[in-house]
Amino acid sequence: GAGVSQSPSNKVTEKGKDVELRCDPISGHTALYWYRQSLGQGLEFLIYFQGNSAPDKSGLPSDRFSAERTGGSVSTLTIQRTQQEDSAVYLCASSRGPRGSYNEQFFGPGTRLTVL
Amino acid sequence: EDQVTQSPEALRLQEGESSSLNCSYTVSGLRGLFWYRQDPGKGPEFLFTLYSAGEEKEKERLKATLTKKESFLHITAPKPEDSATYLCAVRYGTASKLTFGTGTRLQVTL
Repeated sequence: GAGVSQSPSNKVTEKGKDVELRCDPISGHTALYWYRQSLGQGLEFLIYFQGNSAPDKSGLPSDRFSAERTGGSVSTLTIQRTQQEDSAVYLCASSRGPRGSYNEQFFGPGTRLTVL
Repeated sequence: EDQVTQSPEALRLQEGESSSLNCSYTVSGLRGLFWYRQDPGKGPEFLFTLYSAGEEKEKERLKATLTKKESFLHITAPKPEDSATYLCAVRYGTASKLTFGTGTRLQVTL
Protein backbone atom coordinates (compact mmCIF):
# COMPACT_ATOMS: atom_id res chain seq x y z
CA GLY A 1 0.00 0.00 0.00
CA ALA A 2 0.96 3.64 -0.29
CA GLY A 3 3.11 5.23 2.36
CA VAL A 4 2.76 8.60 4.03
CA SER A 5 2.61 11.40 1.48
CA GLN A 6 3.32 15.08 2.02
CA SER A 7 2.88 18.16 -0.10
CA PRO A 8 4.43 20.33 -1.26
CA SER A 9 7.89 18.74 -1.27
CA ASN A 10 9.47 22.19 -1.24
CA LYS A 11 8.09 25.57 -0.21
CA VAL A 12 9.85 28.91 -0.44
CA THR A 13 8.08 31.83 1.18
CA GLU A 14 8.75 35.35 2.30
CA LYS A 15 9.02 36.32 5.93
CA GLY A 16 5.61 37.22 7.33
CA LYS A 17 3.57 35.07 4.94
CA ASP A 18 1.41 32.14 6.05
CA VAL A 19 2.06 28.60 4.80
CA GLU A 20 0.10 25.35 4.85
CA LEU A 21 1.72 21.94 4.75
CA ARG A 22 -0.28 18.80 4.01
CA CYS A 23 0.08 15.22 5.21
CA ASP A 24 -1.81 12.16 3.99
CA PRO A 25 -1.17 9.23 6.37
CA ILE A 26 -1.14 5.52 5.64
CA SER A 27 -4.70 4.25 5.24
CA GLY A 28 -6.05 2.82 8.47
CA HIS A 29 -3.47 4.51 10.71
CA THR A 30 -5.24 6.26 13.57
CA ALA A 31 -2.24 8.19 14.92
CA LEU A 32 -0.57 11.07 13.10
CA TYR A 33 2.51 13.06 14.16
CA TRP A 34 4.30 16.18 12.96
CA TYR A 35 8.02 16.66 13.56
CA ARG A 36 10.52 19.31 12.49
CA GLN A 37 14.13 18.68 11.46
CA SER A 38 16.43 21.67 11.40
CA LEU A 39 19.97 21.60 10.00
CA GLY A 40 22.23 19.87 12.49
CA GLN A 41 19.35 19.20 14.88
CA GLY A 42 17.51 16.04 15.75
CA LEU A 43 13.88 15.58 14.89
CA GLU A 44 11.74 17.75 17.15
CA PHE A 45 8.17 16.72 18.02
CA LEU A 46 5.47 19.26 17.20
CA ILE A 47 1.97 17.76 17.55
CA TYR A 48 0.19 14.40 17.76
CA PHE A 49 -3.34 13.34 16.78
CA GLN A 50 -4.95 10.08 17.91
CA GLY A 51 -8.40 9.24 16.64
CA ASN A 52 -11.00 11.68 17.92
CA SER A 53 -9.03 12.60 21.05
CA ALA A 54 -7.81 16.12 21.71
CA PRO A 55 -4.39 16.56 20.04
CA ASP A 56 -1.17 16.74 22.05
CA LYS A 57 0.11 20.21 21.11
CA SER A 58 2.92 20.26 23.64
CA GLY A 59 5.68 20.52 21.01
CA LEU A 60 4.37 23.52 19.08
CA PRO A 61 7.04 26.25 19.44
CA SER A 62 4.69 29.24 19.34
CA ASP A 63 1.06 30.20 18.76
CA ARG A 64 1.94 30.91 15.12
CA PHE A 65 1.87 27.13 14.62
CA SER A 66 -1.40 25.19 14.42
CA ALA A 67 -2.58 21.94 12.93
CA GLU A 68 -5.80 20.16 12.22
CA ARG A 69 -6.80 16.72 11.12
CA THR A 70 -10.01 16.36 9.18
CA GLY A 71 -12.06 13.20 9.17
CA GLY A 72 -9.37 11.29 11.02
CA SER A 73 -7.18 11.25 7.93
CA VAL A 74 -5.48 14.18 6.18
CA SER A 75 -3.70 16.74 8.35
CA THR A 76 -2.65 20.31 7.65
CA LEU A 77 0.08 22.14 9.55
CA THR A 78 -0.25 25.92 9.32
CA ILE A 79 2.48 28.41 10.15
CA GLN A 80 1.33 32.03 10.35
CA ARG A 81 3.59 35.05 9.90
CA THR A 82 6.59 32.87 9.05
CA GLN A 83 10.00 33.74 10.43
CA GLN A 84 13.45 32.76 9.12
CA GLU A 85 13.93 30.43 12.09
CA ASP A 86 10.94 28.41 10.84
CA SER A 87 13.08 27.19 7.92
CA ALA A 88 13.38 23.42 8.33
CA VAL A 89 12.13 20.11 6.98
CA TYR A 90 8.68 19.32 8.32
CA LEU A 91 8.05 15.59 8.61
CA CYS A 92 4.78 13.79 9.10
CA ALA A 93 4.49 10.26 10.46
CA SER A 94 1.63 7.87 11.11
CA SER A 95 1.18 4.72 13.14
CA ARG A 96 -1.56 2.14 13.59
CA GLY A 97 -2.10 3.32 17.14
CA PRO A 98 -0.46 4.90 20.17
CA ARG A 99 0.92 1.92 22.05
CA GLY A 100 3.22 -1.09 21.75
CA SER A 101 4.04 -2.30 18.29
CA TYR A 102 1.19 -0.17 16.99
CA ASN A 103 3.34 2.87 17.81
CA GLU A 104 5.89 2.10 15.11
CA GLN A 105 5.88 5.39 13.22
CA PHE A 106 6.31 5.56 9.46
CA PHE A 107 7.48 8.83 7.99
CA GLY A 108 6.69 10.74 4.85
CA PRO A 109 9.33 12.36 2.63
CA GLY A 110 8.95 15.74 4.31
CA THR A 111 8.34 19.31 3.18
CA ARG A 112 11.42 21.53 3.00
CA LEU A 113 10.36 25.05 4.06
CA THR A 114 12.61 27.98 3.30
CA VAL A 115 11.68 31.41 4.67
CA LEU A 116 13.50 34.27 2.94
CA GLU B 1 17.07 16.08 31.79
CA ASP B 2 15.80 13.22 29.67
CA GLN B 3 17.86 12.81 26.57
CA VAL B 4 19.10 10.57 23.79
CA THR B 5 22.76 10.70 22.74
CA GLN B 6 24.21 9.03 19.68
CA SER B 7 27.88 8.35 18.98
CA PRO B 8 29.91 8.75 16.97
CA GLU B 9 28.52 11.74 15.07
CA ALA B 10 30.13 10.44 11.89
CA LEU B 11 31.75 7.15 10.93
CA ARG B 12 33.64 6.21 7.81
CA LEU B 13 34.13 2.50 7.08
CA GLN B 14 35.61 0.53 4.26
CA GLU B 15 33.39 -2.04 2.62
CA GLY B 16 33.42 -5.18 4.75
CA GLU B 17 34.68 -3.39 7.88
CA SER B 18 32.19 -4.19 10.66
CA SER B 19 31.42 -1.67 13.41
CA SER B 20 28.79 -0.51 15.90
CA LEU B 21 26.81 2.66 16.44
CA ASN B 22 25.79 3.64 19.96
CA CYS B 23 22.60 5.19 21.33
CA SER B 24 22.53 5.98 25.05
CA TYR B 25 19.41 7.20 26.80
CA THR B 26 18.53 8.69 30.16
CA VAL B 27 14.76 8.47 30.35
CA SER B 28 12.39 6.94 32.88
CA GLY B 29 9.88 4.33 31.87
CA LEU B 30 11.19 3.30 28.47
CA ARG B 31 8.34 2.08 26.26
CA GLY B 32 10.41 1.41 23.14
CA LEU B 33 13.68 2.24 21.42
CA PHE B 34 13.48 2.80 17.68
CA TRP B 35 16.14 2.77 14.96
CA TYR B 36 15.63 4.57 11.66
CA ARG B 37 17.74 5.04 8.55
CA GLN B 38 17.60 8.40 6.75
CA ASP B 39 18.97 9.03 3.28
CA PRO B 40 19.67 12.62 2.14
CA GLY B 41 16.51 14.46 1.17
CA LYS B 42 14.22 11.69 2.39
CA GLY B 43 12.19 10.91 5.47
CA PRO B 44 13.40 8.41 8.07
CA GLU B 45 12.88 4.75 7.18
CA PHE B 46 11.82 2.46 10.04
CA LEU B 47 14.29 -0.33 10.88
CA PHE B 48 13.67 -1.80 14.34
CA THR B 49 11.86 -1.41 17.64
CA LEU B 50 13.29 -2.86 20.85
CA TYR B 51 11.18 -3.00 24.00
CA SER B 52 13.19 -4.63 26.79
CA ALA B 53 16.79 -5.11 27.89
CA GLY B 54 18.36 -8.16 26.29
CA GLU B 55 16.22 -7.97 23.19
CA GLU B 56 17.91 -8.27 19.80
CA LYS B 57 16.62 -7.83 16.24
CA GLU B 58 18.30 -8.44 12.91
CA LYS B 59 17.73 -7.33 9.35
CA GLU B 60 20.23 -8.22 6.64
CA ARG B 61 23.59 -6.77 7.76
CA LEU B 62 22.09 -4.89 10.71
CA LYS B 63 21.60 -6.12 14.26
CA ALA B 64 20.16 -4.00 17.07
CA THR B 65 20.60 -4.76 20.76
CA LEU B 66 19.27 -3.10 23.92
CA THR B 67 20.48 -2.77 27.50
CA LYS B 68 19.01 -0.73 30.36
CA LYS B 69 21.11 2.28 29.37
CA GLU B 70 21.92 2.01 25.69
CA SER B 71 21.37 0.37 22.35
CA PHE B 72 23.85 -0.70 19.73
CA LEU B 73 23.34 -0.99 16.01
CA HIS B 74 25.90 -3.48 14.72
CA ILE B 75 26.72 -3.37 11.03
CA THR B 76 28.36 -6.52 9.71
CA ALA B 77 30.39 -6.41 6.48
CA PRO B 78 28.82 -3.11 5.35
CA LYS B 79 28.35 -2.18 1.71
CA PRO B 80 28.36 1.30 0.14
CA GLU B 81 24.56 1.19 -0.03
CA ASP B 82 24.49 1.15 3.79
CA SER B 83 25.73 4.74 3.74
CA ALA B 84 23.10 6.91 5.45
CA THR B 85 22.32 8.68 8.70
CA TYR B 86 21.11 6.30 11.38
CA LEU B 87 18.70 7.78 13.91
CA CYS B 88 17.79 6.46 17.34
CA ALA B 89 14.60 7.47 19.15
CA VAL B 90 12.84 6.55 22.37
CA ARG B 91 9.28 6.52 23.55
CA TYR B 92 8.90 6.78 27.30
CA GLY B 93 6.39 7.37 30.04
CA THR B 94 2.85 8.04 28.85
CA ALA B 95 3.88 9.98 25.76
CA SER B 96 3.33 8.62 22.25
CA LYS B 97 5.83 11.01 20.66
CA LEU B 98 9.36 9.90 19.86
CA THR B 99 12.42 11.71 21.24
CA PHE B 100 15.29 11.52 18.78
CA GLY B 101 19.05 11.64 18.99
CA THR B 102 20.97 13.70 16.44
CA GLY B 103 22.08 10.66 14.44
CA THR B 104 25.25 9.01 13.19
CA ARG B 105 26.31 9.73 9.60
CA LEU B 106 27.75 6.52 8.17
CA GLN B 107 29.82 6.46 5.01
CA VAL B 108 30.95 3.14 3.56
CA THR B 109 33.60 3.30 0.87
CA LEU B 110 34.88 0.70 -1.59
